[in-house]
Amino acid sequence: GEDVEQSLFLSVREGDSSVINCTYTDSSSTYLYWYKQEPGAGLQLLTYIFSNMDMKQDQRLTVLLNKKDKHLSLRIADTQTGDSAIYFCAEEWGGNQFYFGTGTSLTVIP
Amino acid sequence: GAVVSQHPSWVICKSGTSVKIECRSLDFQATTMFWYRQFPKQSLMLMATSNEGSKATYEQGVEKDKFLINHASLTLSTLTVTSAHPEDSSFYICSAPGQFKPYEQYFGPGTRLTVT
Repeated sequence: GEDVEQSLFLSVREGDSSVINCTYTDSSSTYLYWYKQEPGAGLQLLTYIFSNMDMKQDQRLTVLLNKKDKHLSLRIADTQTGDSAIYFCAEEWGGNQFYFGTGTSLTVIP
Repeated sequence: GAVVSQHPSWVICKSGTSVKIECRSLDFQATTMFWYRQFPKQSLMLMATSNEGSKATYEQGVEKDKFLINHASLTLSTLTVTSAHPEDSSFYICSAPGQFKPYEQYFGPGTRLTVT
């Protein structure tokens, strides 16, 4: 579960949707997560998806999981300036160890 | 929700000195805690797993004599950076897992270490 990759940067206009993509390698992961990190701060759990699900929606957030391709995405609807942050996907390994993706820096343009 | 604190939040030290960073679970017990290191604009790298009452488990490439971990109680883990050098400057984050699936990780706010 060590190679979790994301695109590094994403810019969107306020009000548009953002889609952040992630590819992972460990097919045995039970849960996959999305975390948000604001500048100089720790990580905040946004949402997670159980590996036997294809989709999970939570207010403005939609998580899609393609287990066959080991691809995870996070869609943020109606993106706001407060959504500007770094977003990390993470896969759970060994019960409670996490491996994090490289992080995607989201910039929302007013 | 569960809260994890870190102290200090920011520290500057001279090269060759040692620095201790504390990670506390404030309202829950954590038999396991994790220490991560994050370089600017990069991802979190798992350094080690801190185990209460036993030795820490270090990830490959992490020097155990350089980064001393002590999990003294069910609510406290410490990371000591010994004989710090400028290349040790980084953002150090700890986390503690929740007790139940989906094992949400509760993260501390991080400690910014600058070695001059």
